[in-house]
Amino acid sequence: SQQGEEDPQALSIQEGENATMNCSYKTSINNLQWYRQNSGRGLVHLILIRSNEREKHSGRLRVTLDTSKKSSSLLITASRAADTASYFCATDAGGSRLTFGEGTQLTVNP
Amino acid sequence: NAGVMQNPRHLVRRRGQEARLRCSPMKGHSHVYWYRQLPEEGLKFMVYLQKENIIDESGMPKERFSAEFPKEGPSILRIQQVVRGDSAAYFCASSPLAGADNEQFFGPGTRLTVL
Repeated sequence: SQQGEEDPQALSIQEGENATMNCSYKTSINNLQWYRQNSGRGLVHLILIRSNEREKHSGRLRVTLDTSKKSSSLLITASRAADTASYFCATDAGGSRLTFGEGTQLTVNP
Repeated sequence: NAGVMQNPRHLVRRRGQEARLRCSPMKGHSHVYWYRQLPEEGLKFMVYLQKENIIDESGMPKERFSAEFPKEGPSILRIQQVVRGDSAAYFCASSPLAGADNEQFFGPGTRLTVL
């Protein structure tokens, strides 16, 4: 298994519903970051949560971090068709490199 | 403040040719990272550079791949004698400093296709 595994691999919901994606990792981390990638495009940074934080909000996004379980979740509330994208978690364990998971493909149907 | 710039956006090479990928970090950023993304997969770290120094190249293949970040000009990822397995999207990211809260800003990527 790799550091930063997301589940589910794919998620399909209706507009207006909430979407929850989970990420697990294996080593101690400084912080965990979530990114979005639209098909064929670059990554957009969504939110960063430090290892001493448990929850963080940004607009319709809510991120939680449980360092005892080495897991994080990303909640998107009141989803929109424009939220359709791949979502990746990335861990920073020091040393500056980010370790990415395989991503969750979210489809929001209008 | 322009974001991270990468060029070309698309690059087609035949097996055995060389590929040169360029990355200009955001203004004021002196740390550059290269990642590779194979289809349907997440990004894999390749190399981390500061101006004129390679800090961590543990994710880069030992042969055919090299990277530099000169004092002046963009960072270059160079792939010699490309093979079909090199076909991927190559992303560059930059950050103003390393350490805690290492938020990295990504460029749009270069999609390399090896025929």
